[in-house]
Amino acid sequence: NAGVMQNPRHLVRRRGQEARLRCSPMKGHSHVYWYRQLPEEGLKFMVYLQKENIIDESGMPKERFSAEFPKEGPSILRIQQVVRGDSAAYFCASSPTGVNTEAFFGQGTRLTVV
Amino acid sequence: AQSVTQLGSHVSVSEGALVLLRCNYSSSVPPYLFWYVQYPNQGLQLLLKYTSAATLVKGINGFEAEFKKSETSFHLTKPSAHMSDAAEYFCAVRISGGSEKLVFGKGTKLTVNP
Repeated sequence: NAGVMQNPRHLVRRRGQEARLRCSPMKGHSHVYWYRQLPEEGLKFMVYLQKENIIDESGMPKERFSAEFPKEGPSILRIQQVVRGDSAAYFCASSPTGVNTEAFFGQGTRLTVV
Repeated sequence: AQSVTQLGSHVSVSEGALVLLRCNYSSSVPPYLFWYVQYPNQGLQLLLKYTSAATLVKGINGFEAEFKKSETSFHLTKPSAHMSDAAEYFCAVRISGGSEKLVFGKGTKLTVNP
């Protein structure tokens, strides 16, 4: 049973480009969380999704950021018109039910904006 | 609002010495508390979790943590540090009801000296 898979592991984008980060949850998991880790900071919650639904996006910046978790395929975190401040590690976690169960983390995508 | 404070962003111990990493939480309801470890350029791995059962929780790699409600603390300890314990450690509290998202502390980087 493969763990949570994130790709790419490293992503370099120029300012103004788009970044697309992918997360494939563990088999049987239908709940996905995205977190962002800025340098010297802990992880900050961004968004919580179930299949085809955004449940909680209270941690998402109001502009340029969006997330989806389609019926088929991985969850996608999309950042449009990236800026240097978007440089961070983005982690995805998945859980089977989302309630009182452990969330398993992927290895993260490290985004560098140049 | 629930929050986590980790005292000491860097802790250095000698190999074989006691490891003590401090975590205090703020929660208006009985919390679920977690300790995660992050090795360089890796994702987060769950060390242990408190879910209102026993107050002394044993985790992987010889770590344990004690939940003290009167002190609102959940400090992580290990009797004898090993070189392989060098990593960053994050304490987290789960927000119950709704998205079940995690709120993380800023992390403590543990260095183990030979």
